[in-house]
Amino acid sequence: GENVEQHPSTLSVQEGDSAVIKCTYSDSASNYFPWYKQELGKRPQLIIDIRSNVGEKKDQRIAVTLNKTAKHFSLHITETQPEDSAVYFCAAINAGNMLTFGGGTRLMVKP
Amino acid sequence: DTGVSQDPRHKITKRGQNVTFRCDPISEHNRLYWYRQTLGQGPEFLTYFQNEAQLEKSRLLSDRFSAERPKGSFSTLEIQRTEQGDSAMYLCASSSADGSGSTDTQYFGPGTRLTVL
Repeated sequence: GENVEQHPSTLSVQEGDSAVIKCTYSDSASNYFPWYKQELGKRPQLIIDIRSNVGEKKDQRIAVTLNKTAKHFSLHITETQPEDSAVYFCAAINAGNMLTFGGGTRLMVKP
Repeated sequence: DTGVSQDPRHKITKRGQNVTFRCDPISEHNRLYWYRQTLGQGPEFLTYFQNEAQLEKSRLLSDRFSAERPKGSFSTLEIQRTEQGDSAMYLCASSSADGSGSTDTQYFGPGTRLTVL
């Protein structure tokens, strides 16, 4: 089955700096890669996603890149703000429609 | 609120008791998923329905767990003879297959936090 690894597990940045979170996946058949943000005690919320036929996608301060050959994808947040502080999860889906999640990254943005 | 809803939000039970959780998906979403999340970890897939058919079950889903979606709308997840290791957040998600074959986006509910004493 699919295995998704995520790094780093914790990330502390100063407000206004950029943050990068990286994930690798094992199943070359995986074709959809969403990123979820989860605040304490709340539901995972989709913030951006990318499909395997696209190399990069951007939405305001958030961007995701995908390298299918290397089987890794990354989340980039620019101009970080304190409200970006949360746990971020990457995930991958293969043909079975089951999301396999990474272990999460706790992002702390210091004012 | 037109998002995924779950009930109850919290459940405390004693070991050995049975519990049942309910999930109401986004209206007209034909796919519904159950995940389990323990503290500090990412959600883990349990099972998934397309309409009323249960199409996938994880090996995590022991025979004490059963899920149903009888009319293709809401779903229930029952855990029999609960154990302390069942303590977790149980998340439901839903999506809409558009028939094009592309993978659809899953939207999560707020979860049911289960504590087994």
